[in-house]
Formats: sequence, structure tokens, C-alpha cells
Amino acid sequence: DTEVTQTPKHLVMGMTNKKSLKCEQHMGHRAMYWYKQKAKKPPELMFVYSYEKLSINESVPSRFSPECPNSSLLNLHLHALQPEDSALYLCASSASGGSPYQETQYFGPGTRLLVL
Amino acid sequence: GEDVEQSLFLSVREGDSSVINCTYTDSSSTYLYWYKQEPGAGLQLLTYIFSNMDMKQDQRLTVLLNKKDKHLSLRIADTQTGDSAIYFCAESNNNDMRFGAGTRLTVKP
Repeated sequence: DTEVTQTPKHLVMGMTNKKSLKCEQHMGHRAMYWYKQKAKKPPELMFVYSYEKLSINESVPSRFSPECPNSSLLNLHLHALQPEDSALYLCASSASGGSPYQETQYFGPGTRLLVL
Repeated sequence: GEDVEQSLFLSVREGDSSVINCTYTDSSSTYLYWYKQEPGAGLQLLTYIFSNMDMKQDQRLTVLLNKKDKHLSLRIADTQTGDSAIYFCAESNNNDMRFGAGTRLTVKP
């Protein structure tokens, strides 16, 4: 099973709402990632969790709050987002988490977020 | 900073071979990847190559790496309409992973 799942597939939220994106993998991977992808652009890394600890935060605004409750789950909590945060949010995982950039990343299908 | 560059568009006829090219600048790259993204979907890992290899073949896909010129290519043999998508080249080292802007492949019947 090389699948990374993400829910929901689509999300529409207002600027005052609080919502969460969820990501799950059952490959025993120890590194998990959040990326943001705007239309016609490559993915941009937001966060990396390695062994359930936040190891990389690419200067992401605090309105995005990641959480890794266990080695299979990764959440992204959203609060007070702006319309420019509308994008495809991709989750990925890789095997050992020791050197995340040294490993093949497997991506989920993404959550398409629209902020009104 | 380090860059990964790809041409933005490629159009081929069904049954022809497609060659998507990528250049990168980071000499410390250890892995190089090709991802496929269909409209509205996530990234699908197609194949990857270690930087100490020069070729990898997997069914219809052939990856060629010229490490001296920092040039990576993806050849798709017998291209089908289902191959129409955006193809991202990416490279990683110890500290970072970088994606190219993506090449939109259009396959005409």
C-alpha cells in the first residue's frame, strides 16, 4: 500500500472560520510533509514532521498550524485565512524521516481549498 | 539560489515518443524525480533516479541523467492520451527539495 489519503477533497471556508485538513498514511513512514500549490505553479513546502516532531517550518504564517498526533496522521489547522491562501494543499510522506530530502516522497491527492 | 528549469509546454501525437527535459544547478543533488499531475489531482511519483546513475528504465518510461551537464530527461514511449498532464522535475539534497515549474504535455489523437 503506497497510498497517502487526504480529507476533505474540497473545502470552502470564510475568513473567520476554523477548519482542519487531514492526511493519513499506513506505510510506516516517519516523515510527513505539507505543501501548498497555487494554480500552474510547483508545490511549495510548508512543514516537515520527522518522527512526529516538527523539523522544518518554512516561515509559514501562524494562521496555519500543523499537528502530528501519531506517526500515521498529519493535520493542518486553519484559522483566519485570507483569500490568497486558496490553493491545493498536498500532503506527502517518506520512509525514515532521518534526512527527509534524501528520500522519495509519496503525495496524496490534495485538498482544494477556497477561502471566501 | 539553486534552480530547476523545465520548458512549459510540449505537444506530441498519440503513439509518438515524448521527451521532457529538465536542468538543475545544484551540484550536491542526490535524488532526481519525475512527478505527474493530472488536472485537479495530487502528484503521482513516476520514477526517480539516484545521482550516481545515468539511466533508469521502467516500462514506457526512460530517465536519462547527465550529471556533468546537470540535465535530466524523461522519455515516454508510445505516448497515449492518458499521458496528458503536467510533469514536474524535482531534485533533492540533504537540506532541500526543489521542483521545476512543470511541463504541460498535450497528446493529440
